[in-house]
Amino acid sequence: KNEVEQSPQNLTAQEGEFITINCSYSVGISALHWLQQHPGGGIVSLFMLSSGKKKHGRLIATINIQEKHSSLHITASHPRDSAVYICAVKLTFGKGTLLTVNP
Amino acid sequence: NAGVMQNPRHLVRRRGQEARLRCSPMKGHSHVYWYRQLPEEGLKFMVYLQKENIIDESGMPKERFSAEFPKEGPSILRIQQVVRGDSAAYFCASSPRVWGQRNTEAFFGQGTRLTVV
Repeated sequence: KNEVEQSPQNLTAQEGEFITINCSYSVGISALHWLQQHPGGGIVSLFMLSSGKKKHGRLIATINIQEKHSSLHITASHPRDSAVYICAVKLTFGKGTLLTVNP
Repeated sequence: NAGVMQNPRHLVRRRGQEARLRCSPMKGHSHVYWYRQLPEEGLKFMVYLQKENIIDESGMPKERFSAEFPKEGPSILRIQQVVRGDSAAYFCASSPRVWGQRNTEAFFGQGTRLTVV
């Protein structure tokens, strides 16, 4: 059974701080996904990763296939980054990390 | 090319009624996935369909729930005799091939928020 664990569950930061959210999974995969969900809103796909690192603006995602671990980083965080960040592997989702960035 | 369209966005049903949730995938996408998000919980996989076929329904309750994706028209998630515990946000996603294979991404709809009163 595929297990996807995220940490931390909740994260509060001050504007400008560097943020890291972690994801561990239990099965071999071809790709891992990071998603963003704003309160009451829809879900947006941020990254799909199968190896190495990807960068979109202030967001960076890395994956280590051997260690079955991925991280999502946000540089120079901003209040508009406040959302739930979700890691997904093979139709299984992590419980999400609620990020709150205070001005 | 419109995104994944779900309707209605909000649906209120009384206990015992039927709920029909629709998902129109993006143009060219033949794979549809349904997820449920209970209040204060994460997304849970329900069912994966590929045009007229159910590929994986391991996350869907055996009773009262059914899903279809006909040759023409949207995918439908149907909940019969709804109960209060069915109140949740239901999201669908679509992809042109199997999500995750060969760099295939999935795109999500805005969700349908079902409230059972």
